[in-house]
Amino acid sequence: AQTVTQSQPEMSVQEAETVTLSCTYDTSESDYYLFWYKQPPSRQMILVIRQEAYKQQNATENRFSVNFQKAAKSFSLKISDSQLGDAAMYFCACLQGAQKLVFGQGTRLTINP
Amino acid sequence: DTAVSQTPKYLVTQMGNDKSIKCEQNLGHDTMYWYKQDSKKFLKIMFSYNNKELIINETVPNRFSPKSPDKAHLNLHINSLELGDSAVYFCASSQVTEVVGDGYTFGSGTRLTVV
Repeated sequence: AQTVTQSQPEMSVQEAETVTLSCTYDTSESDYYLFWYKQPPSRQMILVIRQEAYKQQNATENRFSVNFQKAAKSFSLKISDSQLGDAAMYFCACLQGAQKLVFGQGTRLTINP
Repeated sequence: DTAVSQTPKYLVTQMGNDKSIKCEQNLGHDTMYWYKQDSKKFLKIMFSYNNKELIINETVPNRFSPKSPDKAHLNLHINSLELGDSAVYFCASSQVTEVVGDGYTFGSGTRLTVV
């Protein structure tokens, strides 16, 4: 079965600093996709970044980057130059083939001004 | 234009009532989903439909019945509502037959409160 684990229920960071959110996953497939979604208080689910498992290069989107360690089944999200608007719940998710998108438990990120 | 729209955004109802949540997507996607987010923020899939055909049906009480009149719509009907049904319900869509790696596009959610 496909599982996604986020071991940090809450994280906090000073504004302008860097923070890393952890995620591990388990899948039996060799072809899959990994995602980080952001859910601000508005509750909208917003796609932050995606990673194809067959690509070794880590994905980057502006201040957001991932550290994808396929052998360790680890997929962490790094947020650089944290901004107040980054405060939200962050969900790691795994999608294999055409099956269901499975989410981790979420990490609540607080930005301290 | 809203890509995935759900109505209503908020729903407060009494135990035992029957209610429906509607979802529409204008992205031309072939697959739609219902997810439930509980009070601890955990997101779990309930159903998915591909071109009006049910393809995923997780362990959900049969009081929940999805209906897909066409591939752009997926509605969720809930009978005999219980207190434990209180949650945020998200509709989502994706294009499974093409770029799976694009992920899902989510609606803004429906907060259901059963009193």
